[in-house]
Amino acid sequence: GAVVSQHPSRVICKSGTSVKIECRSLDFQATTMFWYRQFPKQSLMLMATSNEGSKATYEQGVEKDKFLINHASLTLSTLTVTSAHPEDSSFYICSARDYTSTDTQYFGPGTRLTVL
Amino acid sequence: AQSVTQLDSHVSVSEGTPVLLRCNYSSSYSPSLFWYVQHPNKGLQLLLKYTSAATLVKGINGFEAEFKKSETSFHLTKPSAHMSDAAEYFCVVSYTGNQFYFGTGTSLTVIP
Repeated sequence: GAVVSQHPSRVICKSGTSVKIECRSLDFQATTMFWYRQFPKQSLMLMATSNEGSKATYEQGVEKDKFLINHASLTLSTLTVTSAHPEDSSFYICSARDYTSTDTQYFGPGTRLTVL
Repeated sequence: AQSVTQLDSHVSVSEGTPVLLRCNYSSSYSPSLFWYVQHPNKGLQLLLKYTSAATLVKGINGFEAEFKKSETSFHLTKPSAHMSDAAEYFCVVSYTGNQFYFGTGTSLTVIP
């Protein structure tokens, strides 16, 4: 089946530093990838949609200059949290849509970010 | 507005008994419907999906769901719960393939 990986799975950083999270589709090409944020015991909140080779589309209320998204290839998207603060601590999950399927999203295992 | 409602935030069943997780959607269009499972500190795993084919959908790990248009429901069931089924379950609806609408999740506890 379709597999999506994320790296790192867990990261701890100091306030003010930047953190990059990678999302890869391992066995399929993903023209569209999605980034979600999940708070404890809550559902997923869509942050942005990224299409290969173009700028990401951010959801209302998500700062595009703080959460930089790059989708440079059909198998890789990155999320960079710039100048991280403790309130950015969260579980970040990416998903990828199979090029051949118009509706199913396959999710990565998530990245736990803790900002001290 | 398009939305999806999971009627129970928490369900508790005994091992070996049936599981029912309820989901209703609101839409005037034909949706694609999904159930995902999330174990603690893990990503979401696709259990099953409905995309306008058979109304009874069979998924992995013995789960199945029935699409009932007249009731705008897509409830998830399993005949016999296993300890490993304890997790968070999300019902998701999609209309364009891009936008996913997530339910608030149902936490399933399985009692030994």
